[in-house]
Amino acid sequence: EDKVVQSPLSLVVHEGDTVTLNCSYEVTNFRSLLWYKQEKKAPTFLFMLTSSGIEKKSGRLSSILDKKELFSILNITATQTGDSAIYLCAVSGGYQKVTFGTGTKLQVIP
Amino acid sequence: SAVISQKPSRDICQRGTSLTIQCQVDSQVTMMFWYRQQPGQSLTLIATANQGSEATYESGFVIDKFPISRPNLTFSTLTVSNMSPEDSSIYLCSVGPPADTQYFGPGTRLTVL
Repeated sequence: EDKVVQSPLSLVVHEGDTVTLNCSYEVTNFRSLLWYKQEKKAPTFLFMLTSSGIEKKSGRLSSILDKKELFSILNITATQTGDSAIYLCAVSGGYQKVTFGTGTKLQVIP
Repeated sequence: SAVISQKPSRDICQRGTSLTIQCQVDSQVTMMFWYRQQPGQSLTLIATANQGSEATYESGFVIDKFPISRPNLTFSTLTVSNMSPEDSSIYLCSVGPPADTQYFGPGTRLTVL
């Protein structure tokens, strides 16, 4: 059974801090790893990673995948209160099934 | 990216009743998915809605409890039948190839009393 484990489960930081969120996975026939931000109900797409070692960046957010060690990290630099959300990691594997982790709840305080 | 709407955005229902959630996409898409997110839990795939054929359900979900319709390439419905408090969740539809960017609808927050 495919499995995605995220850590930490929750995190409280001050504005301006840098945070690193972790995602490890076990999946049959890996296709891609996805990061989402969930603020209210609907997750919004952040990154899709398919190749090891290639960093994807969007503003203050960046992510990288290690397919040998089966993990990914999501970095957020110079955090702002608007970054407060649940960050979800998901992997797509065999039979085109997407498995989500339980998420990391990030709270950024002024 | 696809624009997805869901109705209702939230509802409070009595135990034993049924609720139908609608998902509308602004463009034709091949694959539509229905997810459930119980309080404090991650997203769990309920089923894949296939146009012109029966939905494909994941382990632990059955058609009698979660009947799905997919009459065309822009619309789908999910019904939560004979509800119990354990069905209180956020229900989300999404579109897109599974191994590519998936876009989610705004979600339906269901509370069953």
